[in-house]
Amino acid sequence: DTGVSQDPRHKITKRGQNVTFRCDPISEHNRLYWYRQTLGQGPEFLTYFQNEAQLEKSRLLSDRFSAERPKGSFSTLEIQRTEQGDSAMYLCASSPGTPSNQPQHFGDGTRLSIL
Amino acid sequence: AQKITQTQPGMFVQEKEAVTLDCTYDTSDPSYGLFWYKQPSSGEMIFLIYQGSYDQQNATEGRYSLNFQKARKSANLVISASQLGDSAMYFCAMREVIYNQGGKLIFGQGTELSVKP
Repeated sequence: DTGVSQDPRHKITKRGQNVTFRCDPISEHNRLYWYRQTLGQGPEFLTYFQNEAQLEKSRLLSDRFSAERPKGSFSTLEIQRTEQGDSAMYLCASSPGTPSNQPQHFGDGTRLSIL
Repeated sequence: AQKITQTQPGMFVQEKEAVTLDCTYDTSDPSYGLFWYKQPSSGEMIFLIYQGSYDQQNATEGRYSLNFQKARKSANLVISASQLGDSAMYFCAMREVIYNQGGKLIFGQGTELSVKP
């Protein structure tokens, strides 16, 4: 049973560039979540998919952010026109749909640094 | 409004001793779950233990136990017989079941635990 996989582990880019991250969830999990974690803080929810449907988006997810899960398997998170404030760790998690006591399993995260 | 509060930014414990990490929460959802995660310096979030709002007994998983006091809205993590490898950030998180069908987690700010040899 492979865990949640995220790619890349680290991304350094210049302000204004676009970046895309990938998340491969645990294969039998139909729920997929994206979180953002800044230094010294707990993760904050960004968005959630059930299968291929994006069912909830946080107000943190500005119009520069877009996420997809085209076939209900892997997901991508794209940030357009990156800004200094986008520097953070981006975490992906997956879980079975039910029951509600099932924990979310997290990937190792993608650390984004904006120069 | 902050829904998860971890009031201890940092804690020290001597190896082989027990330590309690505090967590209080706020929700009006009658059904919810509480989770603890460990995040070592390498960054991955590791699930430790779960407590459901209707569970009658405190959850235990190996050296981890959860001191759940529903009336006080607290869910403190107890680590027994601390090991050097327990040094990490610890996050308390909550999932509201009825008000939040999607299952997103709300995290506290974390407690950094350092185990001294």
